[in-house]
Amino acid sequence: SQTIHQWPATLVQPVGSPLSLECTVEGTSNPNLYWYRQAAGRGLQLLFYSIGIDQISSEVPQNLSASRPQDRQFILSSKKLLLSDSGFYLCARGTGQGVEKNTGELFFGEGSRLTVL
Amino acid sequence: GDSVTQMEGPVTLSEEAFLTINCTYTATGYPSLFWYVQYPGEGLQLLLKATKADDKGSNKGFEATYRKETTSFHLEKGSVQVSDSAVYFCALEKLTGGGNKLTFGTGTQLKVEL
Repeated sequence: SQTIHQWPATLVQPVGSPLSLECTVEGTSNPNLYWYRQAAGRGLQLLFYSIGIDQISSEVPQNLSASRPQDRQFILSSKKLLLSDSGFYLCARGTGQGVEKNTGELFFGEGSRLTVL
Repeated sequence: GDSVTQMEGPVTLSEEAFLTINCTYTATGYPSLFWYVQYPGEGLQLLLKATKADDKGSNKGFEATYRKETTSFHLEKGSVQVSDSAVYFCALEKLTGGGNKLTFGTGTQLKVEL
């Protein structure tokens, strides 16, 4: 199984409040994990990727951070949300493990929709 | 840097019409190319892929050919159905020191009407 669970599915938060989006993955151990954001009219933007526990790479400077405290858990956080953080956040896993080359296919969760007011 | 450009949507077609969604890319080397589809309320799923020049990916009646000379990977389907209504994303694979990363286009929404 390569099931990916994301929660919450929807979230409405005021500006300045903290954020925690969680992603858990079933199946192969040590998967490569990704956080993408889908903002209106901007397609999918890679935010973070991780090849292992506590190994996080950030793609763009921003108000968000990511952590991987366990092999199959990937968390997206913010201390103070901005209006511009609104969007649809997708967690994904690759087919490879660690530094092993992936096939290029990603498996996505069903996403978490965040609205910052 | 690497980038993917897709035609803007929404694209509205009648059922059984021919579909083309254009995709061009800019990348160093020879990336792998992908089409992903996102049905309403769902995450993305892989539709088809091609890993080298002149390869044709196909799935569910959709096809796309990796054209190195024109740096394109246009998505086509001969006869669309209402159930094909979705957002379609073109993407290329960029290999890094650890894992791979996909660079996506902005997505093209397809609406198919009866």
